[in-house]
Amino acid sequence: GAGVSQSPRYKVAKRGQDVALRCDPISGHVSLFWYQQALGQGPEFLTYFQNEAQLDKSGLPSDRFFAERPEGSVSTLKIQRTQQEDSAVYLCASSLASQVKYEQYFGPGTRLTVT
Amino acid sequence: RKEVEQDPGPFNVPEGATVAFNCTYSNSASQSFFWYRQDCRKEPKLLMSVYSSGNEDGRFTAQLNRASQYISLLIRDSKLSDSATYLCVVRNAGGTSYGKLTFGQGTILTVHP
Repeated sequence: GAGVSQSPRYKVAKRGQDVALRCDPISGHVSLFWYQQALGQGPEFLTYFQNEAQLDKSGLPSDRFFAERPEGSVSTLKIQRTQQEDSAVYLCASSLASQVKYEQYFGPGTRLTVT
Repeated sequence: RKEVEQDPGPFNVPEGATVAFNCTYSNSASQSFFWYRQDCRKEPKLLMSVYSSGNEDGRFTAQLNRASQYISLLIRDSKLSDSATYLCVVRNAGGTSYGKLTFGQGTILTVHP
């Protein structure tokens, strides 16, 4: 079946622009996570949704970052007034539920470059 | 101090070699442990879970030592296709963690002919 998809795959933004990154999780997956992966580093947690509820946003680096999942399926990560330090790969992952036994499946990521 | 620490490498080994990666974690409440594999410019994919009793999947053996908060991955008879970044991952359950994954920096492995 279809995996997690993300769009766009690549995004170049000028500093100060706003960007919106989309994640389509696997159908029926309740849990959705966003991670940020800087060059040469492992992914770092940004935020978590259970259905449409954003239950944890402790990893969002600043108030310029905002995420939503209004109908409990597709999610959008928005970054306002992008800065060069926002350049990274943004990964979305979904799982059937939040319990440990359920594997998180990752999308291919959106590579954001801020110039 | 990072919650999950790995030697970033790189490890350069010939085909057929045995290579071992180590990882330490700092949160004693961590409950689940994994190794993920990430190919260049691709997403991370689960390689294997890690259990206290040790577990093996073909050429790959993973081990967990809870007392030392230490995780290992052993790859025997390395293949060219094993070249990738190997990410040590812990997952905390309960509380407000909601099962988020905490990744190490990753260890780069290159297997050469």
